[in-house]
Amino acid sequence: KQEVTQIPAALSVPEGENLVLNCSFTDSAIYNLQWFRQDPGKGLTSLLLIQSSQREQTSGRLNASLDKSSGRSTLYIAASQPGDSATYLCGCDRGSTLGRLYFGRGTQLTVWP
Amino acid sequence: GAGVSQSPSNKVTEKGKDVELRCDPISGHTALYWYRQSLGQGLEFLIYFQGNSAPDKSGLPSDRFSAERTGGSVSTLTIQRTQQEDSAVYLCASSWTSGAYNEQFFGPGTRLTVL
Repeated sequence: KQEVTQIPAALSVPEGENLVLNCSFTDSAIYNLQWFRQDPGKGLTSLLLIQSSQREQTSGRLNASLDKSSGRSTLYIAASQPGDSATYLCGCDRGSTLGRLYFGRGTQLTVWP
Repeated sequence: GAGVSQSPSNKVTEKGKDVELRCDPISGHTALYWYRQSLGQGLEFLIYFQGNSAPDKSGLPSDRFSAERTGGSVSTLTIQRTQQEDSAVYLCASSWTSGAYNEQFFGPGTRLTVL
């Protein structure tokens, strides 16, 4: 079974700070790891997908890294803004069961002006 | 369509009734997934389809739950004889493939409340 843990569970910071959200997984035989954001009452919005052959992906102020051997991924948010306030979820598959994603419980981020 | 759509957005039902939830995936996506999200459990996988077949149904919590997909497109999740513990947000996602490159795109969800 793939178990995904996200730390911290909640984070509250002032605008402008650089942030690091952590995701760890127990089975390193993954093909894909995906970061999402979820706004209250909404579905999940895909932020970044990292394939197992990649070490990082970047999109605007977001950078996600992957270290398969240690079972870790990090989402780095630069120069945080109040609009970044949301829950961030990490999901990854498992080599023996393609398709489904296993999710952590998320990090609830609040960025205040 | 532009994204994954789900209907209804909200469903309130009485215990013991059957409900059907619908998902329209992104056009051309061959893989379709159902998850549910509840306060105590986080995001749980239910079932996934590759085309019209379901290689992995391992997440369906009981035989009251079933799903089908027709024409490689629309999917319906059916819950029979609903129970209060079925109350949750049911999320659908789709992707081009379930293989090595698998970026999943989610719909807005159906919030199910069982009274």
